[in-house]
Amino acid sequence: EPEVTQTPSHQVTQMGQEVILRCVPISNHLYFYWYRQILGQKVEFLVSFYNNEISEKSEIFDDQFSVERPDGSNFTLKIRSTKLEDSAMYFCASSEWGQGNTDTQYFGPGTRLTVL
Amino acid sequence: RKEVEQDPGPFNVPEGATVAFNCTYSNSASQSFFWYRQDCRKEPKLLMSVYSSGNEDGRFTAQLNRASQYISLLIRDSKLSDSATYLCVVRSGAGTALIFGKGTTLSVSS
Repeated sequence: EPEVTQTPSHQVTQMGQEVILRCVPISNHLYFYWYRQILGQKVEFLVSFYNNEISEKSEIFDDQFSVERPDGSNFTLKIRSTKLEDSAMYFCASSEWGQGNTDTQYFGPGTRLTVL
Repeated sequence: RKEVEQDPGPFNVPEGATVAFNCTYSNSASQSFFWYRQDCRKEPKLLMSVYSSGNEDGRFTAQLNRASQYISLLIRDSKLSDSATYLCVVRSGAGTALIFGKGTTLSVSS
Protein backbone atom coordinates (compact mmCIF):
# COMPACT_ATOMS: atom_id res chain seq x y z
CA GLU A 1 0.00 0.00 0.00
CA PRO A 2 1.40 3.43 -0.91
CA GLU A 3 2.36 5.57 2.05
CA VAL A 4 3.61 9.01 2.95
CA THR A 5 7.17 9.02 4.23
CA GLN A 6 8.92 11.65 6.33
CA THR A 7 12.52 12.36 7.29
CA PRO A 8 14.03 12.70 9.76
CA SER A 9 11.98 10.90 12.38
CA HIS A 10 13.47 13.09 15.09
CA GLN A 11 15.20 16.46 14.76
CA VAL A 12 16.87 18.29 17.62
CA THR A 13 17.88 21.90 17.06
CA GLN A 14 18.92 25.00 18.94
CA MET A 15 16.56 27.95 19.26
CA GLY A 16 17.04 30.36 16.38
CA GLN A 17 18.30 27.72 13.94
CA GLU A 18 16.63 26.87 10.66
CA VAL A 19 15.19 23.41 10.12
CA ILE A 20 13.82 21.69 7.04
CA LEU A 21 11.42 18.81 7.43
CA ARG A 22 11.01 16.53 4.44
CA CYS A 23 8.12 14.50 3.13
CA VAL A 24 7.48 12.26 0.15
CA PRO A 25 3.73 12.26 -0.55
CA ILE A 26 1.90 9.41 -2.25
CA SER A 27 2.85 9.57 -5.90
CA ASN A 28 -0.52 10.21 -7.61
CA HIS A 29 -1.76 12.68 -4.99
CA LEU A 30 -2.17 16.33 -5.91
CA TYR A 31 -2.72 17.99 -2.51
CA PHE A 32 -0.12 18.15 0.21
CA TYR A 33 -0.43 19.30 3.79
CA TRP A 34 1.49 19.98 6.95
CA TYR A 35 -0.01 19.59 10.42
CA ARG A 36 1.56 19.78 13.84
CA GLN A 37 0.71 18.26 17.20
CA ILE A 38 2.20 19.67 20.37
CA LEU A 39 2.56 16.97 23.01
CA GLY A 40 -0.78 16.34 24.68
CA GLN A 41 -2.63 18.70 22.35
CA LYS A 42 -4.79 18.28 19.28
CA VAL A 43 -3.58 17.98 15.72
CA GLU A 44 -3.47 21.47 14.13
CA PHE A 45 -3.55 22.38 10.45
CA LEU A 46 -0.65 24.49 9.16
CA VAL A 47 -0.86 24.67 5.38
CA SER A 48 -2.12 22.99 2.22
CA PHE A 49 -0.35 23.08 -1.14
CA TYR A 50 -1.64 22.42 -4.64
CA ASN A 51 -0.23 23.05 -8.09
CA ASN A 52 2.96 24.54 -6.66
CA GLU A 53 1.30 27.12 -4.50
CA ILE A 54 -0.26 27.46 -1.07
CA SER A 55 -4.01 26.92 -1.25
CA GLU A 56 -4.81 27.50 2.42
CA LYS A 57 -2.90 28.32 5.59
CA SER A 58 -3.70 28.77 9.26
CA GLU A 59 -2.78 31.55 11.66
CA ILE A 60 0.04 29.37 12.94
CA PHE A 61 1.71 29.44 9.52
CA ASP A 62 3.40 32.82 9.84
CA ASP A 63 6.42 34.30 8.06
CA GLN A 64 8.75 31.92 9.89
CA PHE A 65 7.30 29.02 7.92
CA SER A 66 7.57 28.18 4.25
CA VAL A 67 6.79 25.20 2.07
CA GLU A 68 8.29 24.02 -1.16
CA ARG A 69 8.07 21.21 -3.65
CA PRO A 70 11.68 21.29 -4.88
CA ASP A 71 11.29 18.34 -7.26
CA GLY A 72 8.70 15.86 -8.42
CA SER A 73 8.62 13.85 -5.23
CA ASN A 74 9.64 15.86 -2.17
CA PHE A 75 7.56 18.35 -0.17
CA THR A 76 9.34 20.35 2.50
CA LEU A 77 8.48 22.53 5.48
CA LYS A 78 11.07 25.09 6.51
CA ILE A 79 11.09 26.90 9.83
CA ARG A 80 13.50 29.83 9.52
CA SER A 81 14.26 30.66 13.13
CA THR A 82 12.96 28.05 15.51
CA LYS A 83 11.41 28.92 18.85
CA LEU A 84 10.94 26.74 21.90
CA GLU A 85 7.20 26.63 21.19
CA ASP A 86 7.85 25.08 17.76
CA SER A 87 8.65 21.82 19.54
CA ALA A 88 6.02 19.39 18.30
CA MET A 89 5.34 16.42 16.06
CA TYR A 90 4.99 17.59 12.47
CA PHE A 91 2.87 15.44 10.19
CA CYS A 92 2.86 15.62 6.43
CA ALA A 93 -0.24 14.40 4.60
CA SER A 94 -1.39 14.02 1.03
CA SER A 95 -4.67 13.46 -0.77
CA GLU A 96 -6.01 13.13 -4.30
CA TRP A 97 -8.61 15.89 -4.58
CA GLY A 98 -8.49 18.17 -1.53
CA GLN A 99 -12.20 18.18 -0.77
CA GLY A 100 -15.21 15.97 -0.17
CA ASN A 101 -16.02 13.07 2.10
CA THR A 102 -14.35 10.61 -0.25
CA ASP A 103 -11.05 12.50 -0.25
CA THR A 104 -8.83 10.85 2.34
CA GLN A 105 -5.81 12.61 3.75
CA TYR A 106 -3.08 10.06 4.40
CA PHE A 107 -0.62 11.01 7.09
CA GLY A 108 3.07 10.27 7.31
CA PRO A 109 4.65 8.93 10.51
CA GLY A 110 5.75 12.40 11.57
CA THR A 111 8.94 14.22 12.48
CA ARG A 112 9.40 14.99 16.15
CA LEU A 113 11.03 18.42 16.39
CA THR A 114 12.71 19.34 19.65
CA VAL A 115 13.93 22.93 20.04
CA LEU A 116 16.40 23.49 22.88
CA ARG B 1 -16.10 28.20 21.37
CA LYS B 2 -13.92 25.26 20.33
CA GLU B 3 -14.36 24.20 16.72
CA VAL B 4 -14.59 20.47 17.41
CA GLU B 5 -15.34 19.23 20.89
CA GLN B 6 -15.04 15.73 22.23
CA ASP B 7 -15.27 14.12 25.64
CA PRO B 8 -11.61 13.33 26.35
CA GLY B 9 -12.40 10.22 28.40
CA PRO B 10 -10.70 7.94 29.09
CA PHE B 11 -13.27 5.29 28.41
CA ASN B 12 -12.22 2.06 30.10
CA VAL B 13 -14.27 -0.92 28.88
CA PRO B 14 -13.94 -4.72 28.93
CA GLU B 15 -13.55 -6.75 25.77
CA GLY B 16 -16.88 -7.28 24.05
CA ALA B 17 -18.42 -4.06 25.32
CA THR B 18 -20.22 -1.51 23.19
CA VAL B 19 -18.96 2.04 23.51
CA ALA B 20 -20.14 5.32 21.99
CA PHE B 21 -18.24 8.54 21.40
CA ASN B 22 -19.81 11.90 20.69
CA CYS B 23 -18.54 15.02 19.04
CA THR B 24 -19.94 18.48 18.31
CA TYR B 25 -18.68 21.01 15.80
CA SER B 26 -19.23 24.73 15.69
CA ASN B 27 -18.88 25.61 12.00
CA SER B 28 -22.22 25.07 10.29
CA ALA B 29 -20.42 25.32 6.92
CA SER B 30 -18.63 22.05 7.62
CA GLN B 31 -19.27 19.62 4.80
CA SER B 32 -17.04 16.62 5.35
CA PHE B 33 -16.81 14.54 8.49
CA PHE B 34 -14.46 11.81 9.58
CA TRP B 35 -13.34 9.66 12.44
CA TYR B 36 -9.60 9.09 12.62
CA ARG B 37 -7.76 6.81 15.01
CA GLN B 38 -4.44 7.71 16.60
CA ASP B 39 -2.26 5.28 18.49
CA CYS B 40 0.20 6.64 21.03
CA ARG B 41 2.84 8.84 19.34
CA LYS B 42 1.73 7.68 15.89
CA GLU B 43 0.10 9.41 12.95
CA PRO B 44 -3.69 9.77 12.63
CA LYS B 45 -5.24 7.11 10.41
CA LEU B 46 -8.66 7.31 8.81
CA LEU B 47 -11.15 5.02 10.49
CA MET B 48 -14.18 6.05 8.45
CA SER B 49 -15.87 8.93 6.71
CA VAL B 50 -19.26 9.97 8.10
CA TYR B 51 -22.18 10.40 5.71
CA SER B 52 -25.48 12.16 6.30
CA SER B 53 -27.44 8.91 6.18
CA GLY B 54 -25.14 7.25 8.67
CA ASN B 55 -22.79 4.46 7.74
CA GLU B 56 -21.41 1.25 9.09
CA ASP B 57 -18.10 -0.54 8.63
CA GLY B 58 -18.02 -3.86 10.42
CA ARG B 59 -18.20 -3.19 14.16
CA PHE B 60 -18.10 0.58 13.67
CA THR B 61 -21.14 2.77 13.05
CA ALA B 62 -21.01 6.53 12.47
CA GLN B 63 -23.91 8.95 12.59
CA LEU B 64 -24.21 12.62 11.62
CA ASN B 65 -26.86 15.09 12.75
CA ARG B 66 -26.34 18.30 10.79
CA ALA B 67 -29.14 20.17 12.57
CA SER B 68 -27.51 19.58 15.95
CA GLN B 69 -23.96 19.68 14.52
CA TYR B 70 -23.29 16.38 16.22
CA ILE B 71 -21.32 13.31 15.14
CA SER B 72 -21.15 9.94 16.87
CA LEU B 73 -19.15 6.74 16.63
CA LEU B 74 -20.36 3.42 18.01
CA ILE B 75 -17.98 0.52 18.48
CA ARG B 76 -19.55 -2.87 19.08
CA ASP B 77 -17.82 -5.97 20.47
CA SER B 78 -14.71 -4.04 21.52
CA LYS B 79 -11.34 -5.69 20.96
CA LEU B 80 -8.07 -5.10 22.79
CA SER B 81 -6.74 -3.71 19.51
CA ASP B 82 -9.38 -0.97 19.56
CA SER B 83 -7.46 0.76 22.38
CA ALA B 84 -6.45 4.13 20.91
CA THR B 85 -7.48 7.77 20.74
CA TYR B 86 -10.42 8.47 18.44
CA LEU B 87 -10.34 11.82 16.69
CA CYS B 88 -13.42 13.58 15.40
CA VAL B 89 -12.51 15.58 12.31
CA VAL B 90 -14.40 18.05 10.12
CA ARG B 91 -13.63 20.03 6.98
CA SER B 92 -15.51 23.07 5.72
CA GLY B 93 -17.03 22.97 2.26
CA ALA B 94 -14.70 25.66 0.96
CA GLY B 95 -11.49 24.56 2.56
CA THR B 96 -8.92 21.80 2.44
CA ALA B 97 -7.94 21.90 6.11
CA LEU B 98 -8.97 19.15 8.47
CA ILE B 99 -10.04 20.46 11.87
CA PHE B 100 -9.39 17.95 14.62
CA GLY B 101 -10.96 17.48 17.99
CA LYS B 102 -8.65 16.71 20.85
CA GLY B 103 -9.69 13.07 20.81
CA THR B 104 -11.35 10.54 23.07
CA THR B 105 -9.15 7.87 24.60
CA LEU B 106 -10.42 4.29 24.68
CA SER B 107 -8.82 1.54 26.71
CA VAL B 108 -10.16 -1.99 26.22
CA SER B 109 -9.11 -4.54 28.81
CA SER B 110 -9.37 -8.33 28.97
